[in-house]
Amino acid sequence: EAGVAQSPRYKIIEKRQSVAFWCNPISGHATLYWYQQILGQGPKLLIQFQNNGVVDDSQLPKDRFSAERLKGVDSTLKIQPAKLEDSAVYLCASSSFKVSYNEQFFGPGTRLTVL
Amino acid sequence: KQEVTQIPAALSVPEGENLVLNCSFTDSAIYNLQWFRQDPGKGLTSLLLIQSSQREQTSGRLNASLDKSSGRSTLYIAASQPGDSATYLCAVRRQGAQKLVFGQGTRLTINP
Repeated sequence: EAGVAQSPRYKIIEKRQSVAFWCNPISGHATLYWYQQILGQGPKLLIQFQNNGVVDDSQLPKDRFSAERLKGVDSTLKIQPAKLEDSAVYLCASSSFKVSYNEQFFGPGTRLTVL
Repeated sequence: KQEVTQIPAALSVPEGENLVLNCSFTDSAIYNLQWFRQDPGKGLTSLLLIQSSQREQTSGRLNASLDKSSGRSTLYIAASQPGDSATYLCAVRRQGAQKLVFGQGTRLTINP
């Protein structure tokens, strides 16, 4: 079974530029999560989707971050414009209530550096 | 608001030793707790998941325990190896929710 796929793996941009990250969850997983992990910290949830609907986006900086999950499968996370403090690893995870108590499976992450 | 703390932030031990990593959480109304491993530049690999009704889970040389009433979990690693070097993160899931709340992690180094 293929795992969670993310691209790109690395991205370097200048502040005020825009950037987008892509995530393809495990097939059949209805729930998709985006986490932000700043160096030296644990991941923090940005947004959670159930199919193509938003369940929790309480910690998403909505003035600059946006996310969508069209057709309930792939998802895109966008930052526009980027700030220096957005430098982090962006992790995508997926889960299904049918699998192991809704255990979350994580992708390899996208490392963003904002200069 | 759930807060998760891991102590120590970093640990260095010689190969072959048994060791314990600690995780504490403030709200005992959890659904489950997970331990993850993270290698540099990589994503998270799930090691063990303990449901709130369970006391411990074992996988190979790893054993995780959960004491919900005291808000604590430990990850025991037996006969440590250099390949165990990584950052270990614990995360809790609150009852009625799906998101995970993570600790800051413990960076473990096993010296040959």
